[in-house]
Amino acid sequence: QVQLVQSGSELKKPGASVKVSCKASGYTFTSYAMNWVRQAPGQGLEWMGWINTNTGNPTYAQGFTGRFVFSLDTSVSTAYLQISSLKAEDTAVYYCARDLVVGEENYFDYWGQGTLVTVSS
Amino acid sequence: QSVLTQPPSASGTPGQRVTISCSGSSSNIGSNTVNWYQQLPGTAPKLLIYSNNQRPSGVPDRFSGSKSGTSASLAISGLQSEDEADYYCAAWDDSLNGQVFGGGTKLTVL
Repeated sequence: QVQLVQSGSELKKPGASVKVSCKASGYTFTSYAMNWVRQAPGQGLEWMGWINTNTGNPTYAQGFTGRFVFSLDTSVSTAYLQISSLKAEDTAVYYCARDLVVGEENYFDYWGQGTLVTVSS
Repeated sequence: QSVLTQPPSASGTPGQRVTISCSGSSSNIGSNTVNWYQQLPGTAPKLLIYSNNQRPSGVPDRFSGSKSGTSASLAISGLQSEDEADYYCAAWDDSLNGQVFGGGTKLTVL
């Protein structure tokens, strides 16, 4: 069965960096793109972008350029989200979500359990 | 400010039918399919409806989706207490070249 298992909660100080992992199992990792979605406390879902798991090419949504980096380690079927120069407003739950593409349609058919990143001094 | 507009809340009593609307524009709902996600309290979102009106395996047929023009709707019939959750619509936006979500609708079962 398909599973996306994310790393545990993180508490970081402003200015630090964090790296969240998303380990996939139950399917061929390079056959599906991976997306990242942010959910600030009490807020809705916000798409951060996606990474092509074949080429490693990332695409970032508006507002998620510069401090946010998507990467892969295909040898262990894992996607990563790294955030640098953390700010208090980066406090959120971060989800990875598998991208199922059918023709010109796409949707997120499996999600990780989420990783809470808290930024506080 | 979300690109797709949903009512912040909805409610109904057990057994009732409720609908949740999602309004967009020609660059998103008007030209692409709509997906719906259910987020139960304290859990990750789950795909509920894809391609406007398709249910993934395991989703009860009490849940249905529709789309017309630049708007979409999610209907839940035979409302149950376990349906209490946040519901999000989503679609690809051709102008932004990215996925956009609605702000979410909190469904309360009275």
